[in-house]
Parts: sequence; C-alpha cells; structure tokens
Amino acid sequence: DAKTTQPPSMDCAEGRAANLPCNHSTISGNEYVYWYRQIHSQGPQYIIHGLKNNETNEMASLIITEDRKSSTLILPHATLRDTAVYYCIVRVGGAGNKLTFGGGTRVLVKP
Amino acid sequence: KAGVTQTPRYLIKTRGQQVTLSCSPISGHRSVSWYQQTPGQGLQFLFEYFSETQRNKGNFPGRFSGRQFSNSRSEMNVSTLELGDSALYLCASSLALGGGPYNEQFFGPGTRLTVL
Repeated sequence: DAKTTQPPSMDCAEGRAANLPCNHSTISGNEYVYWYRQIHSQGPQYIIHGLKNNETNEMASLIITEDRKSSTLILPHATLRDTAVYYCIVRVGGAGNKLTFGGGTRVLVKP
Repeated sequence: KAGVTQTPRYLIKTRGQQVTLSCSPISGHRSVSWYQQTPGQGLQFLFEYFSETQRNKGNFPGRFSGRQFSNSRSEMNVSTLELGDSALYLCASSLALGGGPYNEQFFGPGTRLTVL
C-alpha cells in the first residue's frame, strides 16, 4: 500500500470549513483513497473514500487531484464534535481489509 | 443494528500472564480484523480472519494469536505478556474479505490492556 503524508495537526474555527490535505505521490492506479477519523478513546470511524472522482457524502467531501498524487478532505461546517485525529489511507480495493495507518492529522475545532 | 462489541473494555494483567480478548462483529459481517494502538507506534494491523481462517497477518511475534468461530466472533490471545503489550486493542468487522472499495470497516470501542 502507498504511503501517505499528512500535517501532524491543524486548528479550525467552529462553523468554518476544515480542509485536510493528504499527499500520496506514490499511489498506483488501482489504489483507493480512504479517510477515517478517531475521536479520543474511540475506535476509528470510516468517513469517505474515492478513486479519482470527487466524492461527497453526509459527513464530508473528498477532492482528489487529477494526477491522484494528493487529496483533500473537506468538513464543510466543522463542529466541536469533529475534533479528532483524521487518517488518510490508500489501499487496493478488493485486496483484503488491512488498513495501514500513518500518523494522521490531529484536528482541533475551536469555538 | 448493533455495532461491533469488544469485551472486556479494560483489563489489567502482570508480566508473564496471558490474556484473551473477544470481539463480536456486526451481524452479517464475516471478516474480523485486529489492530494494536500505542502512543509510540500508532495503529498497527495484527491479523484478519474470514470464515474461521486467518487471511492476513501483521508483523507481530508469535505470542499474538487469534481465532474466529463459526458465528464470526473472534478472539485474540497474547501469551507471556510484556510491558510493551500495554495498548488499546481494536477490532474491526466488515461484510466480506476484500469485497471491493465499498467493503468499509467498522471498528469497536477497543479493549484497553495494561500490563504491570
């Protein structure tokens, strides 16, 4: 699975959009980009995933660059409950369920 | 639908002892994966089970083992505990094995193991 690089931490104002970058410059053609988050003392929670098109669900939007070497997770209106560690993971779809977690980005939403 | 459950939630053991942790996946899910989370190493994959067979294994010593039962419930065992085994052990379930990009994983709350 390709490695990812994320900033270790970032702050965001409550009610504003949070844009979380992820670099995955060695991603291969059959690897998907997944985002999970882990709120303190809980298990990770799936947020969204994509291959090459932008994706949106009730939690967030995922923007993947045309060359697929980076992506951005967007939380459109951050709330205090969005304070968590966010993990960007790339893996081959259909190749087992192993997730390789990096350090993630610790997001602090401030009032 | 009930989520992934793990028991016990907290456990304290001493060095040299062994421990068994339990995971009940979401109803209908057949794949169970285990992860170890420590402050120093982060989240690391231990192993994955599907249809009572270990399908994938992480880079952990043989003291770490697991199994899966016919009802998809899974247990992991750590023998001869060491101080460094203190961690949050997380279980994740999914519908199938490598069932494609939509085969998302659902994590339980974890078991926090402290080794003294």
